[in-house]
This record gives sequence, C-alpha cells and structure tokens, in this order.
Amino acid sequence: RKEVEQDPGPFNVPEGATVAFNCTYSNSASQSFFWYRQDCRKEPKLLMSVYSSGNEDGRFTAQLNRASQYISLLIRDSKLSDSATYLCVVVGPYGQNFVFGPGTRLSVLP
Amino acid sequence: ETGVTQSPTHLIKTRGQQVTLRCSSQSGHNTVSWYQQALGQGPQFIFQYYREEENGRGNFPPRFSGLQFPNYSSELNVNALELDDSALYLCASSDGQPDEKLFFGSGTQLSVL
Repeated sequence: RKEVEQDPGPFNVPEGATVAFNCTYSNSASQSFFWYRQDCRKEPKLLMSVYSSGNEDGRFTAQLNRASQYISLLIRDSKLSDSATYLCVVVGPYGQNFVFGPGTRLSVLP
Repeated sequence: ETGVTQSPTHLIKTRGQQVTLRCSSQSGHNTVSWYQQALGQGPQFIFQYYREEENGRGNFPPRFSGLQFPNYSSELNVNALELDDSALYLCASSDGQPDEKLFFGSGTQLSVL
C-alpha cells in the first residue's frame, strides 16, 4: 500500500461546481497535513494546512479525520483558475519527511 | 515568488555522467529538502538538510548525495546517471518549525539520454 493515496482523477467540472478530493495515508504517526497546488510545468505551492478541527479559506475547506487516516479538500464555486493538480501532503512524526500523494488533476470548464 | 532559486532550469546529460544541481533557499530558512518528480507523479522525497547536516532521506540510492553550505544554500549531486533519473528536481526550503511549510523553487528539468 502506498503511503499517501489520492483520487486518481482527472476531474472535469463546469464553472461554479463544487468538487471534493479525497486522500488517505498509511502512517498513523503522521503529524502534519497539507494541500498543495501545482500548475502545469510549475512548482507546487501551498494551498492550505489541514487541521483536525477542519479549516476554511474562502471557497476552500479542508478536513482531517485521524481515526480513518483520511484528508479531504472541498472547492466551492469552481473558477477556471482553479484548474491544476492538487497534491495531498503528509508529514512524518519527526517533521523531516514530507510524503506527497500522486495528485489529482482538476479541469474547470467554461 | 518564494525566494527559492534553482539552477540550471534545464539540463541534458547522457547515461553514466554526473550532475550537480544548485539551490538557494529563502532568506531566514535553515532547512532545505530535495524532491524528484517524474512526469505525472507527485514529488518524491530525496533528502533533507538542516544546518548543514542530512537529517532525513527517502528511498534513493547512495549515488544521490547532497550538501548544505553555511549560507543554507544546497547542492544535489547524482552520479552514474540512469535514464530513469530524467525528472523535474525540486528544491524546497523551510524554517524548521514544527508546522513547517515548504517553499519550492521552480525546479531543474533533467533529461538523461
């Protein structure tokens, strides 16, 4: 089993749609969790951290379920500019090993 | 912009050669990590340096080695290049805090022929 797994995608959605991405991880000792966004041929950029209490940043909501070792990202009112690959990132207990999932590609269509 | 710079941006090598990639970390960051990203995959952790010492390593062979300098810039060296080493190599710096976030450079695209 891979350390971090994500929905395979791609997701093709119309503008204005709500889309949810799922991510699971295998190391129960993982301490920190993030979502990164990567545009084609560009470097990954931090989208948001993920906390057990859940957190929201505008149209984006992230949730963490430690018991199920599951992370989610919800995007509401999708924009064309949201088209990108979304990477789930899980950090090991000592903070030095960031494990990236394979990514889920999103295309928002006009 | 993140303030993390990598050089060169693109590189073409032949199998068996050696390559050195360079990274300047963001001001104030003492931790640098390197990642390999093959086409269509997520970045894979190679190793991390904290204050000039390696303090974590992923599942990469010893021919992948690195250095961090007193100014916290870093090098990634790959010996005996193989065709499968063709990938985007990303450097990321962070401030070493527990909830550290990574700031990536734009990467070096390495092609091994």
